[in-house]
Amino acid sequence: GQNIDQPTEMTATEGAIVQINCTYQTSGFNGLFWYQQHAGEAPTFLSYNVLDGLEEKGRFSSFLSRSKGYSYLLLKELQMKDSASYLCAVRGDNYGQNFVFGPGTRLSVLP
Amino acid sequence: DSGVTQTPKHLITATGQRVTLRCSPRSGDLSVYWYQQSLDQGLQFLIHYYNGEERAKGNILERFSAQQFPDLHSELNLSSLELGDSALYFCASSSDLNYGYTFGSGTRLTVV
Repeated sequence: GQNIDQPTEMTATEGAIVQINCTYQTSGFNGLFWYQQHAGEAPTFLSYNVLDGLEEKGRFSSFLSRSKGYSYLLLKELQMKDSASYLCAVRGDNYGQNFVFGPGTRLSVLP
Repeated sequence: DSGVTQTPKHLITATGQRVTLRCSPRSGDLSVYWYQQSLDQGLQFLIHYYNGEERAKGNILERFSAQQFPDLHSELNLSSLELGDSALYFCASSSDLNYGYTFGSGTRLTVV
């Protein structure tokens, strides 16, 4: 089976750093993705990891440890517009197969 | 604009009715995926089509069906609608294996 866990909600202050964790158990692994979704809007792609290590993209970084089935998304210099849900998604056995999305973490950035 | 077009954006219909949601994938993308997202729920995979053929099925009800046409647009048909079918329905397309999906803006379905 496939299972992805994320914290349900997190709160942080503008200008701070926040780390959103994701743990997964899937049959096969062909990449882990992070998406941002504002309420009522479409998810938008943030990052992709297929090898262990850290991928940095501006204020956002994503880390992967395949042996531990663990990833995190790091958001630096938080801005109010970063208030959104952050979805962890894993692509399993077969390319072209559907992704499995985690339940999402709702991040609230406070002034 | 993500390049994935979904119509209509909003749909209000009565229980027992049937509706069709339409999706045009990004130019060059052969895969189309349909997802359902109920209020405060995660994205639930419904079905995946690749170049006109069904590739994978998720938790799709028997009252729901989909197809992908030769021009690669896809339609999701929802019939005998129930109040619980009210949700956002997203279509996504892909081709580049490294960069996941590109989502459309969704269709918000309200069943009354």
